[in-house]
Amino acid sequence: AQTVTQSQPEMSVQEAETVTLSCTYDTSESDYYLFWYKQPPSRQMILVIRQEAYKQQNATENRFSVNFQKAAKSFSLKISDSQLGDAAMYFCAYRVTDSWGKLQFGAGTQVVVTP
Amino acid sequence: NAGVTQTPKFRVLKTGQSMTLLCAQDMNHEYMYWYRQDPGMGLRLIHYSVGEGTTAKGEVPDGYNVSRLKKQNFLLGLESAAPSQTSVYFCASFPTPGTDLNYEQYFGPGTRLTVT
Repeated sequence: AQTVTQSQPEMSVQEAETVTLSCTYDTSESDYYLFWYKQPPSRQMILVIRQEAYKQQNATENRFSVNFQKAAKSFSLKISDSQLGDAAMYFCAYRVTDSWGKLQFGAGTQVVVTP
Repeated sequence: NAGVTQTPKFRVLKTGQSMTLLCAQDMNHEYMYWYRQDPGMGLRLIHYSVGEGTTAKGEVPDGYNVSRLKKQNFLLGLESAAPSQTSVYFCASFPTPGTDLNYEQYFGPGTRLTVT
């Protein structure tokens, strides 16, 4: 069975600073996708960034970037130049390529942004 | 395009009551899912469907039933609600592989259900 672990229940960061959220996963599959989702107080699930396991290059979306270490099964998210609007719950998720699209989520990390 | 919609947004039930949550998507997606979200546990898959008329169990299916009579709708039923089913429920849809370049799940806004 695959599992996704987020070991940080909460992280605090000051505006304009950088914060890194950790995620590890356990799998025997070689072809999969990894995701970071943001859930603000509105509850809407918003896709932040996606990484294909076959790609060695780390994905980047504006201020969000990942450090994907396939051998270590690690997938961390870095938020640079943090803004008040980044305050939310962040979920790491995993999907095997041929698994009917099913996602497996970590427990989440609450990001608090202070002025 | 409304995307994925869920009805209702909030509901309070008494133990033993039944209800149905409706999920609708207008993107012609083949796959649909029901997840529940509980504090400290992330989202967990309850049931899913890979096409009209098909359903399958996810990680936590007990106490729930589903139906996919129309491609655009996926219903989640609670026959006899229990306090342990107090949660936020999310529906999601996913395009058939190869038909959408984004290749991601699209989530509804969630339904907060309280069982007293």
